[in-house]
Amino acid sequence: GENVEQHPSTLSVQEGDSAVIKCTYSDSASNYFPWYKQELGKGPQLIIDIRSNVGEKKDQRIAVTLNKTAKHFSLHITETQPEDSAVYFCAASWGKLQFGAGTQVVVTP
Amino acid sequence: NAGVTQTPKFQVLKTGQSMTLQCAQDMNHEYMSWYRQDPGMGLRLIHYSVGAGITDQGEVPNGYNVSRSTTEDFPLRLLSAAPSQTSVYFCASSPAGRSDTQYFGPGTRLTVL
Repeated sequence: GENVEQHPSTLSVQEGDSAVIKCTYSDSASNYFPWYKQELGKGPQLIIDIRSNVGEKKDQRIAVTLNKTAKHFSLHITETQPEDSAVYFCAASWGKLQFGAGTQVVVTP
Repeated sequence: NAGVTQTPKFQVLKTGQSMTLQCAQDMNHEYMSWYRQDPGMGLRLIHYSVGAGITDQGEVPNGYNVSRSTTEDFPLRLLSAAPSQTSVYFCASSPAGRSDTQYFGPGTRLTVL
């Protein structure tokens, strides 16, 4: 089955700096790669996703890149703000979602 | 729309007790699923349903039962709780044809003593 590895497990950034989270996947059949943000005490929420026929997708301060050959994809957050502090999960899907272990992002003022 | 709702928000059980975690969605989604979240392990699929009357096992189904009698509701039953089932449980739903786009509920934090 699919295996998704996510790094780093924790990430501390200064407000205004960029944050990058990387994930690798094992199953070349995976064709959908969503990212979820989980705030404290809440359920995960989809923030951005990318399909295998696209290399990059942006939505304001967040972007996701996909390298199918290397089987890895990344989340980029620019100009980080305190409200970006949360746990971020990547996932890969070929019909069923397989989640990474999560990254705790802390943005310090 | 309320989206995906879960009750209770918190629960403490003793080993061997049974209980049902409730999940409901008002988005007319066909696909519903249950996950558990443990530190350092992400979200792991317990059971899922592709429609009323149809359920199937996920990655970690042991110790849990589900049923789907209506489109809206998807309860998760623990028949005999064990300390290993201490976790945060999330219910999620997806529209038809988009089973990989999950809308999550707020979660239930369960502690088994």
